[in-house]
Amino acid sequence: DTGVSQDPRHKITKRGQNVTFRCDPISEHNRLYWYRQTLGQGPEFLTYFQNEAQLEKSRLLSDRFSAERPKGSFSTLEIQRTEQGDSAMYLCASREEGPHTEAFFGQGTRLTVV
Amino acid sequence: KNQVEQSPQSLIILEGKNCTLQCNYTVSPFSNLRWYKQDTGRGPVSLTIMTFSENTKSNGRYTATLDADTKQSSLHITASQLSDSASYICVVSPQLTGANNLFFGTGTRLTVIP
Repeated sequence: DTGVSQDPRHKITKRGQNVTFRCDPISEHNRLYWYRQTLGQGPEFLTYFQNEAQLEKSRLLSDRFSAERPKGSFSTLEIQRTEQGDSAMYLCASREEGPHTEAFFGQGTRLTVV
Repeated sequence: KNQVEQSPQSLIILEGKNCTLQCNYTVSPFSNLRWYKQDTGRGPVSLTIMTFSENTKSNGRYTATLDADTKQSSLHITASQLSDSASYICVVSPQLTGANNLFFGTGTRLTVIP
């Protein structure tokens, strides 16, 4: 296991279409995070899973956004009825249990809504 | 208001020179502080992580310092290389039961020129 992997790396979609991103965390990590990052800004928290349970959701996660982690391993982030404002880098991170454990990030999925 | 502020927003230095990046935070109570390096279009990569009881942590040419009393941290880069050109992000974890979020600064964009 070489790290957190995200798929796809890039996605271009038309406004109004639905998109789904996948994140495969480091296998022994029970914590998984989704972040959104726009140009020149730091990552913004979207949601957090501990195993299969979604424990936190940001108010940034509107009802068009849904995330799942059905078996406590990989996670998906779906955006319905995409808008141009959804264009951003979507980052996934995972870490082990504990307050000081390292958070490892994937390479991100770059979404462009045209 | 962002609870993690970084300065400067951007910095240009000559190859071989040293530089220091600043991070001020208001997250309290505070658990740990991390510095990440993010290359353009890539996910963040961890450089250092310090708990509230640590004052300094080194990783090769990178040295991070922490003053938990003044809620300030700095990242010092020695003998800069062209490959150091990236965004450097300060991330703070709160010490709250059930809080799993990481608070990100907006980053300092460093450009090293030959």
